Amino acid sequence: AQSVTQPDIHITVSEGASLELRCNYSYGATPYLFWYVQSPGQGLQLLLKYFSGDTLVQGIKGFEAEFKRSQSSFNLRKPSVHWSDAAEYFCAVGADQAGTALIFGKGTTLSVSS
Amino acid sequence: NAGVMQNPRHLVRRRGQEARLRCSPMKGHSHVYWYRQLPEEGLKFMVYLQKENIIDESGMPKERFSAEFPKEGPSILRIQQVVRGDSAAYFCASSPLVGPQHFGDGTRLSIL
Repeated sequence: AQSVTQPDIHITVSEGASLELRCNYSYGATPYLFWYVQSPGQGLQLLLKYFSGDTLVQGIKGFEAEFKRSQSSFNLRKPSVHWSDAAEYFCAVGADQAGTALIFGKGTTLSVSS
Repeated sequence: NAGVMQNPRHLVRRRGQEARLRCSPMKGHSHVYWYRQLPEEGLKFMVYLQKENIIDESGMPKERFSAEFPKEGPSILRIQQVVRGDSAAYFCASSPLVGPQHFGDGTRLSIL
């Protein structure tokens, strides 16, 4: 079955510390992978995407993610977290860039402590 | 704001009433998607539409729910005879022919 697993429901990180959010996927075809961020009461904002090519992709707000096919993972990282990064983060997988349903993980809530 | 526009942002209905949720895609986007988000859950796909066509409705409940994307005007997600379990946040996304989906701010539907 096609699925996305985000093992960590809630993570707390100190401001200025590094961050890694985990994402594992199960998908029958070549996956197109996405990370979105959602602030309370808001919609989802696209952080970055992976379609093909370089397995380390850069996104907005200083985030990056690495695609590891052998581990079926697409972990999100940031070297130094800011208080404004506190939000919920969703990993998603689809069969194409557009025109298909995205399958989302249940999300990881990030809290940032001072 | 050139983003995906959803209205209303909040909608309250009594059991048995109808709910209509509207979505205007980003300029130049021809694909519209609807997702539902329940508390403590990620987004679940409902339906994918292009102008005047439903392409994939595999995530839509078989009864009471319908969606359209007319030639003119916004996409509409319609829920007839709402029940308490329909309370959720409903998100619309749009994309161009090639490119990622961009999401609106959602409609929070509450059923009394």
